[in-house]
Amino acid sequence: GNSVTQMEGPVTLSEEAFLTINCTYTATGYPSLFWYVQYPGEGLQLLLKATKADDKGSNKGFEATYRKETTSFHLEKGSVQVSDSAVYFCALRYQAGTALIFGKGTTLSVSS
Amino acid sequence: EPEVTQTPSHQVTQMGQEVILRCVPISNHLYFYWYRQILGQKVEFLVSFYNNEISEKSEIFDDQFSVERPDGSNFTLKIRSTKLEDSAMYFCASKALNSPLHFGNGTRLTVT
Repeated sequence: GNSVTQMEGPVTLSEEAFLTINCTYTATGYPSLFWYVQYPGEGLQLLLKATKADDKGSNKGFEATYRKETTSFHLEKGSVQVSDSAVYFCALRYQAGTALIFGKGTTLSVSS
Repeated sequence: EPEVTQTPSHQVTQMGQEVILRCVPISNHLYFYWYRQILGQKVEFLVSFYNNEISEKSEIFDDQFSVERPDGSNFTLKIRSTKLEDSAMYFCASKALNSPLHFGNGTRLTVT
């Protein structure tokens, strides 16, 4: 079946460190891939997305590249800030109009 | 910016009781969803709703669950007879055609 696997958290970094949160997926066909972020006390917000192989989604300094050969969509940021502390969810949609399938989420904690 | 609002933010109920979780989607959105997240687990899809009917549902969404859009603005999730394992954070989401999902802040349901 279709599923998403994320690296276990929490991830604890110092400000300005490099961030990678791994995400791999299993899906039939060619899914669309997403990263959502949940700041404390808030709902999930779309961070970035990619709809086909080799697409790169980017937003707020975060990037992720859709790698079909490795079925991955790892989230990266070159220099994290304290305000990036949140829970990050990788998700896929295997077909237009169907529901998102989420990973467990990875908690990021950035200290100054 | 318009947002999805959910009430209450926290609901405590006794096992076997009925609960109704309420959501007000963004006003021009047409697609409505409920997701839940048991503590420490994945965000799980429950049901999607379009054109006044369920368009997709997961295995979790059994006969104990129902959804309704009673008045053109609210979108409710009812659990008829709650079980301990229904304790989770429940997220409502809505979207327009070709737009990302917008999530509410969630309702934390605690079944005792």
